[in-house]
Amino acid sequence: GAGVSQSPRYKVAKRGQDVALRCDPISGHVSLFWYQQALGQGPEFLTYFQNEAQLDKSGLPSDRFFAERPEGSVSTLKIQRTQQEDSAVYLCASSLVLAGESTTYNEQFFGPGTRLTVL
Amino acid sequence: QQPVQSPQAVILREGEDAVINCSSSKALYSVHWYRQKHGEAPVFLMILLKGGEQKGHDKISASFNEKKQQSSLYLTASQLSYSGTYFCGTEWGAAGNKLTFGGGTRVLVKP
Repeated sequence: GAGVSQSPRYKVAKRGQDVALRCDPISGHVSLFWYQQALGQGPEFLTYFQNEAQLDKSGLPSDRFFAERPEGSVSTLKIQRTQQEDSAVYLCASSLVLAGESTTYNEQFFGPGTRLTVL
Repeated sequence: QQPVQSPQAVILREGEDAVINCSSSKALYSVHWYRQKHGEAPVFLMILLKGGEQKGHDKISASFNEKKQQSSLYLTASQLSYSGTYFCGTEWGAAGNKLTFGGGTRVLVKP
């Protein structure tokens, strides 16, 4: 029942390799967010899904980054041809709230993150 | 536009108080406060939606000014468990949108 889970927790990739990071949101949460957190910094937005629809991908740093959520639950963030600057913690968050809803309960629940190190 | 957090770091003795500020150049829809311990997920503390709102969680409370451009987090009678990095996450426009986080405030509470 728990919270948001992410796998793997740690990933080491050689420069140029492709990686896939998985996020299992809380059951029933319609909104899913991906953030990138560099060491010592706050999380930065990458992309947002409402169910299976990717409504905002304005934060993806390049076309090497791709995210999907085909059935509206599990999401995968894929990074192609990884570069050293991709090294960071990738956080996934889910929320009950649909974009535009007016409510106090739009808390985003975060997973533990995947720490990606590109050598 | 990233909100500005201050101070960047604070060291407290157990039982002391601290204030963390989060400022925006334009009016916000809401402010979310999180605490993150090293290697762990950010943990939600509270949301403020309305100008002039004040909210509390245990001995941690927060306020949102009338113009909705500044929020402050108050750590009262700090405990060792309060150590971590505090982030404000801001929303513009409407609920359910992405959060834009400040740079964080590192808090260390010593015995």
